[in-house]
Amino acid sequence: DQQVKQNSPSLSVQEGRISILNCDYTNSMFDYFLWYKKYPAEGPTFLISISSIKDKNEDGRFTVFLNKSAKHLSLHIVPSQPGDSAVYFCAASWKLTTGGSEKLVFGKGTKLTVNP
Amino acid sequence: DAGVIQSPRHEVTEMGQEVTLRCKPISGHDYLFWYRQTMMRGLELLIYFNNNVPIDDSGMPEDRFSAKMPNASFSTLKIQPSEPRDSAVYFCASRTSFHNEQFFGPGTRLTVL
Repeated sequence: DQQVKQNSPSLSVQEGRISILNCDYTNSMFDYFLWYKKYPAEGPTFLISISSIKDKNEDGRFTVFLNKSAKHLSLHIVPSQPGDSAVYFCAASWKLTTGGSEKLVFGKGTKLTVNP
Repeated sequence: DAGVIQSPRHEVTEMGQEVTLRCKPISGHDYLFWYRQTMMRGLELLIYFNNNVPIDDSGMPEDRFSAKMPNASFSTLKIQPSEPRDSAVYFCASRTSFHNEQFFGPGTRLTVL
C-alpha cells in the first residue's frame, strides 16, 4: 500500500529548461509535504516543503505546488542546471491528535538528468 | 555542525554474521529515525525514537533486527544473523520536535554475501 507515489522513475531535460517532478498521495490526513534531493553515495538532503494550508511555496529556482483536491503536488525547477541531476524524493507527514507530527512517508523517487 | 554521522560507510559480511550499524544524530535533535533503501521498496522507515525511547518499530522486518538508543547522541541498528536479502543502504536521520524536516546521514551500504 503505497501512500506516496512518484509514477515517473526518471526524467530528462535540457539545461535552462523547466523540470517538473510529480507526486501523488492517497492519505487525506497528510498535511505537510517535503521534497528531498539525493546524490549518489550521499544521504537525502532537504530541498523545500509546503504545508497543506498553502498551495504554493517558492525558494529561488525551486517551487512546490500543492493541489489538495487532486492529492497531487509537483516540484518545478527553473531554469534547470546540470548540478540538479539527482534523485528527487517526495515525502508526506501528518499531525497526530497530540499535535506533533512523527513519521515521513516517502515516494520511491524520480531520477532527474539535466543535459548540458 | 558535523551533521548526522554514520559508521561504517561500507560493510561487507557473510551470511549468518552479526552486523552493527552506528549513528550519531545532530546535537539537540530529539528524534532519530532508521531507514533502509532498496531498489524494490525504496526508502522505508524501520524504527524511530523520541528522546531515546522507541516509538514505532512496525517497520522492522523481523526479529533478526534490533535497534537501541542508549543516550541522546548514539544509536545502533543490529542484524543478527544477517542474510543476503538484508543487503541495502541503511540511513539514519534526526530532527527536532519543532520541525518536520529530517536530516539524513550519508548511509551505510551493507552487503551480505
